[in-house]
Amino acid sequence: DIVMTQSPDSLAVSLGERATINCKSSQSVLSRSDNKNYLAWSQQRPGQPPKLLIYWASTRESGVPDRFSGSGSATDFTLTISSLQAEDVAIYYCHQYHSAPLTFGGGTKVQIK
Amino acid sequence: EVQLVESGGGLVQPGGSLRLSCVASGFTFGSHWMNWVRQAPGKGLEWVANIKQDGSEKHYVDSVKGRFTISRDNAENSLYLQMSSLRAEDTAVYFCARGLGYLIDCWGQGTLVTVSS
Repeated sequence: DIVMTQSPDSLAVSLGERATINCKSSQSVLSRSDNKNYLAWSQQRPGQPPKLLIYWASTRESGVPDRFSGSGSATDFTLTISSLQAEDVAIYYCHQYHSAPLTFGGGTKVQIK
Repeated sequence: EVQLVESGGGLVQPGGSLRLSCVASGFTFGSHWMNWVRQAPGKGLEWVANIKQDGSEKHYVDSVKGRFTISRDNAENSLYLQMSSLRAEDTAVYFCARGLGYLIDCWGQGTLVTVSS
């Protein structure tokens, strides 16, 4: 099974400042057949189900603000919120969809400083 | 608008059984992999199982193998999770989630399963 490890567990950022979340996989999620990283990021606001933000490591889902960006390849990935807004307070999860069982990172809680 | 509506959750005793349902609308259900993902109270997300479009392929997390069965009825736009031999550690909100291949792209609101005596 591919183990997903996120860091930090939580962070507090001032409004308008940058937030950076890291995700590391125990095995590469880069497919040799299509050269795509099978890594997604989702946001879960309090009391809500998760919402997909980014897939293929760096492709934003339709309607997701461009302050959210994803980067990385193979085993190391980053989600960046370039200018934190109040509505971004949430828990963020990475997950790999390279192979079953699908696995999630433990989550990173983002709060306002 | 894509909608996934789960039902069937509730309180069940350890060792008991429960069947969850998910009704889908707003998309061609039979064209998508479907998933169950759970979240224990105050904890993170754990993928439980998925099923291919025609039901010919299913995958499970190790902790539920032999106890849970995922199934679907494409004519009824419905996904199911039959859970048996339930344990306290199965207590969670269970989400129905749509797949694009293995990518989970859309989630229901969830249904709470509580396993307790």
